[in-house]
Amino acid sequence: EAQVTQNPRYLITVTGKKLTVTCSQNMNHEYMSWYRQDPGLGLRQIYYSMNVEVTDKGDVPEGYKVSRKEKRNFPLILESPSPNQTSLYFCASSLSYPRGGVNIQYFGAGTRLSVL
Amino acid sequence: GENVEQHPSTLSVQEGDSAVIKCTYSDSASNYFPWYKQELGKRPQLIIDIRSNVGEKKDQRIAVTLNKTAKHFSLHITETQPEDSAVYFCAARDGGTSYGKLTFGQGTILTVHP
Repeated sequence: EAQVTQNPRYLITVTGKKLTVTCSQNMNHEYMSWYRQDPGLGLRQIYYSMNVEVTDKGDVPEGYKVSRKEKRNFPLILESPSPNQTSLYFCASSLSYPRGGVNIQYFGAGTRLSVL
Repeated sequence: GENVEQHPSTLSVQEGDSAVIKCTYSDSASNYFPWYKQELGKRPQLIIDIRSNVGEKKDQRIAVTLNKTAKHFSLHITETQPEDSAVYFCAARDGGTSYGKLTFGQGTILTVHP
């Protein structure tokens, strides 16, 4: 089954304690992305990756890091989490180039993070 | 970079009425415009999309229209049903140097009253 898998689904942590949220896809997609979702602000992109070893900042990258060492994995790292990073996080993947002009982005189930 | 504005932020309709959500985008190089539906507690899922060389696309009760000149696109839902209640997001895909990057609107909370 084609899917994007995020772990953990829920996480409560304290300020300053490094954490990693994992994301894996089994569709051989080149493009992967992380978003955060906050009420009234929609889905804001944190980082994205066009392919292995190619990453770029999205709209709200401060306080986050990513890596893309393998095509299927795109972990999100919070080196020193702060309360303003409390949010709902989504990983997504798609083909980098459209097939027939269409390029569907598939989302993971989400990770709800609370930083105390 | 691309900026996508979505209106209204909330929309309340009676079952059977039509609902329209509008989005504007800033980058004329954007070439693909998907719409996602997010039910409570679930992930966003694609419901319809349109390419920049098409003016309108329909799929049963939903349709999307695109005006490239004015840089806006709209989602139309006819004969709304309670199960259409959800958050809807529009998005625009960068067709330039950041090819593939999706920028989302702020979302519209649609409530369909029985």
